Amino acid sequence: EVQLLESGGGLVQPGGSLRLSCAASGFTFSSYDMSWVRQAPGKGLEWVSSIRSSGGNTYYADSVKGRFTISRDNSKNALYLQMNSLRAEDTALYYCAKDSSGWSNWGQGTLVTVSS
Amino acid sequence: EIVLTQSPATLSLSPGERATLSCRASQSVSSYLVWYQQKPGQAPRLLIYDASNRATGIPARFSGSGSGTDFTLTISSLEPEDFAVYYCQQRSNWPKTFGQGTKVEIK
Repeated sequence: EVQLLESGGGLVQPGGSLRLSCAASGFTFSSYDMSWVRQAPGKGLEWVSSIRSSGGNTYYADSVKGRFTISRDNSKNALYLQMNSLRAEDTALYYCAKDSSGWSNWGQGTLVTVSS
Repeated sequence: EIVLTQSPATLSLSPGERATLSCRASQSVSSYLVWYQQKPGQAPRLLIYDASNRATGIPARFSGSGSGTDFTLTISSLEPEDFAVYYCQQRSNWPKTFGQGTKVEIK
């Protein structure tokens, strides 16, 4: 069974940093592209970033480009999102998702709140 | 950026009725259109990929159609568990984008 477990969320002040992690199990992690998708409270879904299976290519939404960095460690079956220069508008539930012709599996999310 | 516009914003229907949800893209996405269902407090669930292919375990009452810029998700006969928010998403171009969602509510 595919499992994705996010961690690392919390309350941070504007301008601060957080590192999210996603622990994957139940599939061959190194064979799949992975992504982060977020959802602000009461709002719709927003794609944040994706990384190819090898880690060689990364993609970012314009809203986070230059501030967020996606990475992965295939030896640890782990996905990461380093978030710097956080803003109030980054407040959201952050999901990691496995990419297979669409995001076929999702974690339950980790909540990031940016507030002073 | 490809903009996806979903209509209607809200669909009020009774169990057993047919639901028809629309997703229109600002430019062609070929068949690279995906549908998700999201219930309150839950992560999204993949329903349909590449416009018309049901994901694993998705009941046959869910079907998708369309190509290019116009797509439809049809639920042939609504079950109580189908009342939720539905999102379309294009995976044709970067950035990957979602529609704003259609809420299917009980009438």
